[in-house]
Amino acid sequence: GENVGLHLPTLSVQEGDNSIINCAYSNSASDYFIWYKQESGKGPQFIIDIRSNMDKRQGQRVTVLLNKTVKHLSLQIAATQPGDSAVYFCAENIVGNTPLVFGKGTRLSVIA
Amino acid sequence: SAVISQKPSRDICQRGTSLTIQCQVDSQVTMMFWYRQQPGQSLTLIATANQGSEATYESGFVIDKFPISRPNLTFSTLTVSNMSPEDSSIYLCSGGGRALYNEQFFGPGTRLTVL
Repeated sequence: GENVGLHLPTLSVQEGDNSIINCAYSNSASDYFIWYKQESGKGPQFIIDIRSNMDKRQGQRVTVLLNKTVKHLSLQIAATQPGDSAVYFCAENIVGNTPLVFGKGTRLSVIA
Repeated sequence: SAVISQKPSRDICQRGTSLTIQCQVDSQVTMMFWYRQQPGQSLTLIATANQGSEATYESGFVIDKFPISRPNLTFSTLTVSNMSPEDSSIYLCSGGGRALYNEQFFGPGTRLTVL
């Protein structure tokens, strides 16, 4: 099947800077997207989601952008903190047709 | 959101044996899934656990190797049968609703090592 991919496998940022994690998806029929954070030894933790009828959604220190024209998804983390260090996965599906398809993951390392 | 727990959290098993992993959700969820995650890699779906009927398996996974039960809306088990070292992985349970938009929440995972 089609896979969700990522541009950058690793990302290092200075504490306090903004982080941008990118994801390319290939299934144009996908209409729901989720970003997960996975810390070492833990299961994926839901961060934020976005529906295909939206271009942008904001949470606490996080923003997800969706560009359906180029099938691109990004997660922006403002004022990155050491606690943000983790692997981040994007996931997609078609509403009503679960389950989720996961991207390869990006490891975010925050430099103090 | 749903809180999902798994037992055991980790285990070391001998080749040829079987291990059953339990997943408990704190609230009723429509959908439950089992994933496998190799170290440093992404999540691969094994199957959808269907209440009261046979699980729906993804390509490359079969019922004889990964039998799954789901007797009710809050509980499921995954058995890894006749294990080999290649089965060493993290096994994750997730749950969610078949609502209009399908948030899925994950358990902490079971880290399995097969010797």
